[in-house]
Amino acid sequence: GQQVMQIPQYQHVQEGEDFTTYCNSSTTLSNIQWYKQRPGGHPVFLIQLVKSGEVKKQKRLTFQFGEAKKNSSLHITATQTTDVGTYYCVRRSQGNLIFGKGTKLSVKP
Amino acid sequence: DTGVSQNPRHKITKRGQNVTFRCDPISEHNRLYWYRQTLGQGPEFLTYFQNEAQLEKSRLLSDRFSAERPKGSFSTLEIQRTEQGDSAMYLCASSLAGTSGPEQYFGPGTRLTVT
Repeated sequence: GQQVMQIPQYQHVQEGEDFTTYCNSSTTLSNIQWYKQRPGGHPVFLIQLVKSGEVKKQKRLTFQFGEAKKNSSLHITATQTTDVGTYYCVRRSQGNLIFGKGTKLSVKP
Repeated sequence: DTGVSQNPRHKITKRGQNVTFRCDPISEHNRLYWYRQTLGQGPEFLTYFQNEAQLEKSRLLSDRFSAERPKGSFSTLEIQRTEQGDSAMYLCASSLAGTSGPEQYFGPGTRLTVT
């Protein structure tokens, strides 16, 4: 299965700044999931997007699925040190998940 | 703790030795997945089971790798004749097929170091 491409690969922000990571696919996606992996930890599910143009919010996190269902984004408002980790957009292929390289976020206090 | 558990958490072995890892999924979950993660990369799918049936295997899963889930509960992943390239974190995840929840729940992983 084809990975989705994610940018940037790394992002360093000052605490309080906003952060956005973008995910792009060359093919139409039936759904996109987002996972977060803290340093030394395991991936934890954040959300799944299914509908074209869908926008979902979780506190300071805003997830979007593009109208063409080929791209997605995660935006974090006013980052905190607890946001540190790698954020993956993930394509689900039949039963399994296809992870990209993710965006590694570091937050300077 | 009712999450996914994996044992051992760390394993150091010499090249050529066989190793076996165990995963205990969330008790009511019928699907169980194995992934491998190397430094700086996202997890890569290896194989998954629905109950005791192994439904899919990645091309990454060479003939030195075998996974079982004999009673549809815990699973084992065995690597025979380990190579240095097998050094990685091996992650197990579980889910409940047929529900509205799409998420997979990951365990803490087994870190394998082949010397």
